[in-house]
Amino acid sequence: QVQLVQSGAEVKKPGASVKVSCRASGYTFTSYYMHWVRQAPGQGLEWMGIINPSGGSTTYAQKFQGRVTMTRDTSTSTVYMELSSLRSEDTAFYYCARYLSSGYYIVDYWGQGTLVTVSS
Amino acid sequence: QTVVTQEPSLTVSPGGTVTLTCASSTGAVTSGYYPNWFQQKPGQAPKALIYSTSSKHSWTPARFSGSLLGGKAALTLSGVQPDDEAEYYCLLYYGGAWVFGGGTKLTVL
Repeated sequence: QVQLVQSGAEVKKPGASVKVSCRASGYTFTSYYMHWVRQAPGQGLEWMGIINPSGGSTTYAQKFQGRVTMTRDTSTSTVYMELSSLRSEDTAFYYCARYLSSGYYIVDYWGQGTLVTVSS
Repeated sequence: QTVVTQEPSLTVSPGGTVTLTCASSTGAVTSGYYPNWFQQKPGQAPKALIYSTSSKHSWTPARFSGSLLGGKAALTLSGVQPDDEAEYYCLLYYGGAWVFGGGTKLTVL
C-alpha cells in the first residue's frame, strides 16, 4: 500500500533552517511528483511547491522563492523540503502529497504531517 | 497574486444536499484548472476526494460529486452524514503552479 512517512517534529530558532523528509513506499517513486503543502495553526492549506523525483526538477510558489529547496534521494525514495531564514510565521504543519500528472492531475496520498515550530 | 475563493462556512442538515464552490480571481474555472477537492478533519492530514473536476478516488463515497457550475468548480454532497462535518479545500492548477482555496467549514446540524 502507498505510504508517505514524514520526519518528526522540529523546533527551530528564528533565522535557522529546517529540513523535512518524506519517505515513499508502495509504488514506483520516480513515477509520481510530490507536492509540499503547509498549514499554519488554525489556518488553511498553502501550496509551497512541487518536485519531480525522476529528474529532480522543481517549481516553487513565488512566496517561497529563494527560501525553499526541494530535493530527492532516489536510492531511499525520499523527498526533502528545506526552508531557510525561518521566522515565527513559518510555524506550521508541513505535508507532502503525491501527484500524478498523466493528463489527470491527480493529488491522492498525503503524509502525516510534520510540525515545525519557530520560537526563540 | 492569484486568489481562490471558497465559502468560509456552510451548514447542512443530516440527509440534506449542499454544494461548495471554488472560484478563481483570474476568471471562470474550467476543466483545464484540474480542480482537486480535499476533506480535512481536526488533527488529521487532508484526504483526497475528487480530481480533475469530477473523478473520484477509489475511497471516495458515492455521495460526493464534483462538477463545474457557473464558472466555478463545485463539490456537492448528497445525503449528508454527520461524519461529513469537516473543512473542505479545493486546489486549482495554474500552468505549473497550484493554489488552494481558503477552505469551507461544513457544519452538519
